[in-house]
Amino acid sequence: QVQLVQSGADVKKSGASVKVSCKASGYTFTSFSIHWVRQAPGQGLEWMGWMNGGNDNKYYAQKFQGRVTFTRDTPASTVYMELSSLRSEDTAVYYCARQVNLGSFDYWGQGSQVTVSS
Amino acid sequence: ETVLTQSPGTLSLSPGERATLSCRASQSVSSNWLAWYQQKPGQAPRLLIYGASSRAAGIPDRFSGSGSGTDFTLTISRLEPEDFAVYYCQQSSPPWTFGQGTKVEIK
Repeated sequence: QVQLVQSGADVKKSGASVKVSCKASGYTFTSFSIHWVRQAPGQGLEWMGWMNGGNDNKYYAQKFQGRVTFTRDTPASTVYMELSSLRSEDTAVYYCARQVNLGSFDYWGQGSQVTVSS
Repeated sequence: ETVLTQSPGTLSLSPGERATLSCRASQSVSSNWLAWYQQKPGQAPRLLIYGASSRAAGIPDRFSGSGSGTDFTLTISRLEPEDFAVYYCQQSSPPWTFGQGTKVEIK
């Protein structure tokens, strides 16, 4: 069965970087793109960008350009999201999700809580 | 960027009632690349509808989606206790965007 398993919770200081992993299983990793979405406490969903599972194509939301980097380890079927220059407003649950039909997301990771403290 | 505006913000209904949720886009959504998700507290979102009107795998037929262009609707024909949650619409022309959500709460 398809699964996206993310890394655990992390606490970082302001100005630091965080790297969240998303390990895929149950499907051909290179055939699907992975997106990253975050959700601040009590807030809605915010799209951060996507990365193609089969090549180096990626797209970052303008808000995060210059601070976010997506990478992948194809043999490990894992995608990474690194966010730098963290500030308190980056405190959120970060999700990875698999893109399927007409741009929708059918499977989601369980979420990774990132807390930024000053 | 396409801005999605959902209404109402909160919908207070009783089990068995019909729920109608609206999602309006600031510009036409290409080829109906519009999806709906359900999210419960502490859980990841769950895909309900893609392509504006196609139900995702395993989604009960009480959930239906309609609309095109800039106006879309999610309808839950008869609310079950497990349907009380927050619902988001999403469009998929880069950059992807989500609506702010509609909370369906028990009246």
